[in-house]
Amino acid sequence: DVKVTQSSRYLVKRTGEKVFLECVQDMDHENMFWYRQDPGLGLRLIYFSYDVKMKEKGDIPEGYSVSREKKERFSLILESASTNQTSMYLCASSFPEHTGELFFGEGSRLTVL
Amino acid sequence: AQTVTQSQPEMSVQEAETVTLSCTYDTSESDYYLFWYKQPPSRQMILVIRQEAYKQQNATENRFSVNFQKAAKSFSLKISDSQLGDAAMYFCAYRSAYNFNKFYFGSGTKLNVKP
Repeated sequence: DVKVTQSSRYLVKRTGEKVFLECVQDMDHENMFWYRQDPGLGLRLIYFSYDVKMKEKGDIPEGYSVSREKKERFSLILESASTNQTSMYLCASSFPEHTGELFFGEGSRLTVL
Repeated sequence: AQTVTQSQPEMSVQEAETVTLSCTYDTSESDYYLFWYKQPPSRQMILVIRQEAYKQQNATENRFSVNFQKAAKSFSLKISDSQLGDAAMYFCAYRSAYNFNKFYFGSGTKLNVKP
């Protein structure tokens, strides 16, 4: 089975702190994604990566950056956390093909105080 | 950009009954894929069912089936013989056949299953 593992299920940070959310997948997927999930808004794409060191902005990239140094690992970085970044963050991966469904991690619930 | 609309924020169904979750989408593309994902409480999101737009036959996976109406841009999910384990958030999603990296999600429907 595909496994997508997010390093932290729950985090509490203070405004201005730097936050790292890490995601690892074990299926050799080329594509990896970071989504933000908020009630009533569904999932919104922050960034995705289609290869090592390659990334593209999604719909809401402001205030976030990403890093993909190895194929299996994709990190989301909040350089200076703000309260409006309190949310659930979902990592996903997939093959870049027409049937490529997304495989999700369990999510990281971030609270910024 | 494509949009996906789930007009039912929350629904309830009695155990063993049938329930239908609605989803509509807006697109000018002719080829695309539609998905229903399930997110149980505090657990990861998983794929329930997938439909290719070029296929006229509705997809079915055990107790889950879809009613795909391409002209109406409608993609509803029917859950038969509902079980307590079906309680979850359900998200409808659209993916272009021309850009495999773009998924568009609806806002979700919370399904409650009553014993």
